[in-house]
Amino acid sequence: SQQGEEDPQALSIQEGENATMNCSYKTSINNLQWYRQNSGRGLVHLILIRSNEREKHSGRLRVTLDTSKKSSSLLITASRAADTASYFCATDFKAAGNKLTFGGGTRVLVKP
Amino acid sequence: DAGVTQSPTHLIKTRGQHVTLRCSPISGHKSVSWYQQVLGQGPQFIFQYYEKEERGRGNFPDRFSARQFPNYSSELNVNALLLGDSALYLCASSPSPVVGQETQYFGPGTRLLVL
Repeated sequence: SQQGEEDPQALSIQEGENATMNCSYKTSINNLQWYRQNSGRGLVHLILIRSNEREKHSGRLRVTLDTSKKSSSLLITASRAADTASYFCATDFKAAGNKLTFGGGTRVLVKP
Repeated sequence: DAGVTQSPTHLIKTRGQHVTLRCSPISGHKSVSWYQQVLGQGPQFIFQYYEKEERGRGNFPDRFSARQFPNYSSELNVNALLLGDSALYLCASSPSPVVGQETQYFGPGTRLLVL
């Protein structure tokens, strides 16, 4: 399938530690986005990175994109209990037309 | 400003019935997208509408249909419900006609249970 695949599927860390999750995909993209979802509710947009960008920051979040490896990573630094959520990458594949394709997500648990 | 709103929040139906879900986008946003999220999985793209026209469609059967009104609100209709249609249905709005180009603002979702 074309969808992005997140790795790991689940992550458990202590408060204050960093959390890193990865998203891999198979075909060329226009853009890639990361979203957070708390307890099965609506998604919150974190960062959008375009195919000609390599790195973007937003507060404690850092996203990288390597189009040669077809992968992206999301780093959360100095994690907090409130960062406990599921994180999804969403890709805008060039060949897929006008649609956004989400991966299966990484479930992050930050223990106080 | 109000965010994206969806109604109802929860819904229980039986197999074979029909359901209509509603979404109001953020004021000024002309694009509305619909997603289905089955428990434990990522959201799956169903439709995108911009200026009342369908601009994108995912791999869903014809039982799924949608429309957008002049005020940019939208309805998602599902006919002949199956047990597998049980899911969280999410609506997202944005200013752009291209879903992947800009931030998508999501509503809280409608949780549908089909018995």
